[in-house]
Amino acid sequence: AQSVSQHNHHVILSEAASLELGCNYSYGGTVNLFWYVQYPGQHLQLLLKYFSGDPLVKGIKGFEAEFIKSKFSFNLRKPSVQWSDTAEYFCAREGQNFVFGPGTRLSVLP
Amino acid sequence: SQTIHQWPATLVQPVGSPLSLECTVEGTSNPNLYWYRQAAGRGLQLLFYSVGIGQISSEVPQNLSASRPQDRQFILSSKKLLLSDSGFYLCAFEPGTDYGYTFGSGTRLTVV
Repeated sequence: AQSVSQHNHHVILSEAASLELGCNYSYGGTVNLFWYVQYPGQHLQLLLKYFSGDPLVKGIKGFEAEFIKSKFSFNLRKPSVQWSDTAEYFCAREGQNFVFGPGTRLSVLP
Repeated sequence: SQTIHQWPATLVQPVGSPLSLECTVEGTSNPNLYWYRQAAGRGLQLLFYSVGIGQISSEVPQNLSASRPQDRQFILSSKKLLLSDSGFYLCAFEPGTDYGYTFGSGTRLTVV
């Protein structure tokens, strides 16, 4: 079955710490990959997306993600998190269907 | 456990025909319910959300409507489909504030 897995349910970091959220997908064909963020009390927003080309993708708010085809991974990174990055993060991929991962809750302590 | 069911998985409809997509949730009461659409290669667009029976908020004016006849049932409808209604439709629920979304498996609608 097509799936997207995220390595951590809840990540707690202090401000200025580096962030990496793992994402793996099961579909082996051509896929479009996304990271979405949901801030408390708000709806989903698109952080970044990968369709093809440079596997290192830059998104909004200083986020980036690296597509590694051999590992079926699309990990999200940020070199220095802020308290305002506290949110739920969803990895997703569009293949035959659009599948979201279960989400990772990020809590950034001031 | 909390689950969400969405059907059908794929649908091909002619222009001008009606549409009804259904979404049901189990294992939770009074969830927030959402309908999203994603056009190919683009991000999600919120169409409708509901915080209770009969309460529907529309985010984007268009050819679609939504209804919530029961607490855990959310229906997306159209009286006459347009070509531009083609896309991938996702239903989602939120058990409560800050719990995050759980998405259905989606419906790929192709209007021909």
